This record gives sequence, C-alpha cells and structure tokens, in this order.
Amino acid sequence: NAGVTQTPKFQVLKTGQSMTLQCAQDMNHEYMSWYRQDPGMGLRLIHYSVGAGITDQGEVPNGYNVSRSTTEDFPLRLLSAAPSQTSVYFCASSYDDYGYTFGSGTRLTVV
Amino acid sequence: AQRVTQPEKLLSVFKGAPVELKCNYSYSGSPELFWYVQYSRQRLQLLLRHISRESIKGFTADLNKGETSFHLKKPFAQEEDSAMYYCALKGPGAGSYQLTFGKGTKLSVIP
Repeated sequence: NAGVTQTPKFQVLKTGQSMTLQCAQDMNHEYMSWYRQDPGMGLRLIHYSVGAGITDQGEVPNGYNVSRSTTEDFPLRLLSAAPSQTSVYFCASSYDDYGYTFGSGTRLTVV
Repeated sequence: AQRVTQPEKLLSVFKGAPVELKCNYSYSGSPELFWYVQYSRQRLQLLLRHISRESIKGFTADLNKGETSFHLKKPFAQEEDSAMYYCALKGPGAGSYQLTFGKGTKLSVIP
C-alpha cells in the first residue's frame, strides 16, 4: 500500500513550457485534490475531484488543467508555465471523514 | 466564506515549556477541524481531528464554538516538535471533502 505517489519530485521548466505532474493513489479514495504551497500563503486548492469523470476548480485554478479518467490517477497539467507557478505542489486523497493523505510533493521551478 | 486564521507565523519556545498554537475559524455551520503537521521538507501528516478527540504525540485541541477557535496545545515541548503546523477546516457544506487551510505556524523548539 503506497498511499499517494507523486512524480516527479523536482522539476525545472522554462517559461512557456508545458508539463504534467502525476498523482496516483492505491487506497480507492474517491476524493482527490491538488494544492500549491507557497511561503506565507499556506496551502491553496487548485483543482479537486469527487470521483472518476468529475472535476472542479478550487481557489487558484488559472493556468492548470486536470482530468480524472480513473479512481487512481489525478494528473495536473501546466499549460504554459510561468514564473508565478514556481511552488511546491501537493496531491491529496480522502475517504469519508478521516481527512487527507498527502503525497510527498513536487518542487517546481519555472525560470 | 469560510476562513481559517493562524495569527502567528513563527512561535519559538524552550524545550519543556508549554506550547499553544492558535487557530480561529469562520464558518456558518457545524465545523469539522483538523491539525496537520509538516516536518522539514516532508509531506503533510494528519495530527488531529476534532471529532475523534484523540491525543497524538502529546498534542490536544479542543473546539470552542463560542470563541470559534481550535487551538493546539502541548504541556511540554520537545525538540522533535519543531515543524510547520497547519489548521484546516472542512467544507463548505455537509458532505464536502474540501479543506481550507490556514497559512501555518512554524514552531521552533529551542534546546
């Protein structure tokens, strides 16, 4: 039981490049979400999904896309990277009322 | 709109001293609150959820609806408690899995 797995752990992008951050969970959790963590800002919700085929926007969705074709996977796509997207990205999943299980994060730098 | 406020960005205490990390919330409904901890460059881990009334690693937190607070307390701080602590509120709405996080408090325990 691996929990929530995020890849890659580190990434450097040039402005304008696109990429996909991968997130997979093996706990059969229906709810998955993406957060970005910035100093002094805490964690802010980017997108979330309540099940396969269902996604919705969070607090800071601009510049990001998501899809949920399976229960296990919830990739986050950066369409055209900008320096403002330099951040640490966390994926999380949840079942019922227990709270979230977080991935180990992806540290992204956009130059 | 729901909101979580952690008024202290940084809290420094001596080893063996009591610790109180403050969390206030605004929410129109019955709140469900959590504390998460993040050790240096690691993933966030669930520390406490108010509905279970557990004591984990010596930490406790009591929901005070009158003061809309959910402060985290520990009677005797240990060096290994040094970490980033986030208060989080579930919602909006019953059945929601979304979490709204505070901006976090960095706890530094001085040997």
